[in-house]
Amino acid sequence: GEDVEQSLFLSVREGDSSVINCTYTDSSSTYLYWYKQEPGAGLQLLTYIFSNMDMKQDQRLTVLLNKKDKHLSLRIADTQTGDSAIYFCAEREGYSTLTFGKGTMLLVSP
Amino acid sequence: DTEVTQTPKHLVMGMTNKKSLKCEQHMGHRAMYWYKQKAKKPPELMFVYSYEKLSINESVPSRFSPECPNSSLLNLHLHALQPEDSALYLCASSQDSVGGVDTEAFFGQGTRLTVV
Repeated sequence: GEDVEQSLFLSVREGDSSVINCTYTDSSSTYLYWYKQEPGAGLQLLTYIFSNMDMKQDQRLTVLLNKKDKHLSLRIADTQTGDSAIYFCAEREGYSTLTFGKGTMLLVSP
Repeated sequence: DTEVTQTPKHLVMGMTNKKSLKCEQHMGHRAMYWYKQKAKKPPELMFVYSYEKLSINESVPSRFSPECPNSSLLNLHLHALQPEDSALYLCASSQDSVGGVDTEAFFGQGTRLTVV
């Protein structure tokens, strides 16, 4: 079955760039997503990328996809304390439902 | 409006109680989902409704009973729950459950359920 792996924890200083990594096993993945979850809240869709793209940029967020290595990353430029949250990578193959990674907790210190 | 609204935000119920969780969206989405999320874990899919019909039941115990009265509303009826059912219950919606351009799933803020 599909598997999505993420590192569990990342700590950065305010103003630095954060890079959260994700690997997946399903080569048929069509769409890859990044969700943000703040404590006690639901999931907020940050961005997504189609599998035929290498990169997508949206303001402070840059998503890079290496389809050959099945590696997805989310770069947050100028990280702020408000970016502290859990970030979930998720993938979907065609008609299937989302498969989530275990989430990466990002801690931004002043 | 990209909002999925869930009520209540918090719920405490006894093991003999019957309660319902509600979810509403007005984005015209035709697929709606229930997820269960335990602390420090990713969401786990429970049910998917597509065009108001139950399309996926991930072997969820019958003490959880979903209902989709119309395309904007999704309920989760709870009866005879166990303490281990305590979790954050998330509702989501998407354009439909079939792959396509609009494949984003939007999540509500969740209902924090505690079973005592």
